[in-house]
This record gives sequence, structure tokens and C-alpha cells, in this order.
Amino acid sequence: KAGVTQTPRYLIKTRGQQVTLSCSPISGHRSVSWYQQTPGQGLQFLFEYFSETQRNKGNFPGRFSGRQFSNSRSEMNVSTLELGDSALYLCASSSDRINTEAFFGQGTRLTVV
Amino acid sequence: DQQVKQNSPSLSVQEGRISILNCDYTNSMFDYFLWYKKYPAEGPTFLISISSIKDKNEDGRFTVFLNKSAKHLSLHIVPSQPGDSAVYFCAASEFSGYALNFGKGTSLLVTP
Repeated sequence: KAGVTQTPRYLIKTRGQQVTLSCSPISGHRSVSWYQQTPGQGLQFLFEYFSETQRNKGNFPGRFSGRQFSNSRSEMNVSTLELGDSALYLCASSSDRINTEAFFGQGTRLTVV
Repeated sequence: DQQVKQNSPSLSVQEGRISILNCDYTNSMFDYFLWYKKYPAEGPTFLISISSIKDKNEDGRFTVFLNKSAKHLSLHIVPSQPGDSAVYFCAASEFSGYALNFGKGTSLLVTP
């Protein structure tokens, strides 16, 4: 079965712009979570959605938001981009709880210039 | 604050030897622990997990040990192979939680 698909793979944006990243989970998985990976901070949890509802949110500013659609696909949006938002954004899907085995996509590499 | 810590940013091991990767955590509510492996330009791949009711879990060459009193876990890879060279992330979660808390990773290099 197909894995977790994230699009686009690479993105370059200018400070102040906004960006939307997309994630298609594994078929049948209803939980989608997002992580930011930076060299200094490792992987940090952004938020998690299950059946279109946000169940948990990490310590990120309100510029970071997300949503999940009825087909479990998820998008995350970052508004008013800052240089520090440059990172690899990873999406993970699991059948229910995130603490069961989660499958990650390849990520979207966002560069803010 | 970092609730999961991997204090060794890198580790180099000879092929055939044992690799031991360590992880410490501070949140006593964590009761499920996972190890992920990550190659460059790829997402993390699940390797092995352990719940707090166990102190050891094995899967082939990979064994995870959990010491709850010390809030410490370790991943043993025996024997190490060059293909094991990657970044290894330790992660932890609460049973009722919906987030994985990751360490910053340990870069393992297995040399021939």
C-alpha cells in the first residue's frame, strides 16, 4: 500500500509570505501529525489531527496552523514566514494513537529567504 | 524544554561490533518509547518500540532496554553493519497523549 505522501518536496519562500504544505496519509489511517525538524532542535511536534479534529498542539506560535479533511488528508499553513521557519516539515500517519507505530513521509524542505 | 535527551550527537563503531545508543527522559508520565532511524532526504523509519511494562524488547539485531527508575533507555545493534549508518532518534509518548517527543538524534557511523 502507498506510503505517506508529502507535497511539495522542496519550497523556497520569501519572508512575510505564507505557505501551505500537504500530506496524504496511508490509506485507512485517520491520525495525521506534523513535526518540524531543524538542526538545532531536532524533531518538534506541531499538531495532530484525528477525524478532522485537532487533538493536540505543540508549542508553536499561532502562525502555524493545520487542518484535516474528511478523507484524512491534511494541510499545514505557516503565515508571515520568518527565516527561522526554514526547516524540514514531516508528516506522520497512524491508525489511531500516535504512540503506536507512526509512518513518516519524506518531508517538505522549506527554505525562507 | 527537552523532555527526551540523546546526549551523544554522534557515534562511530566498527562493522561487526555492538552499537549502543542511549536516551534519557525526564517526564515520568511517558510510558511508550520508540526508536526511529533516518537517512538523509528521507523521513524517519520506525525501528523498534517498548512499553513501560517491559524492560527489554528484541527484534532481530535490534534490542531496546528500558530502565524506568533511571528514566533511561538504550538501543543495541548487534552486529553493526555499514547499512546501519544513519541518524537514530529516540521518541517517547504518554499513553493518553497524541504527540511523540523526540530527542535530537545520534548520528551512527559504522565503518568497514
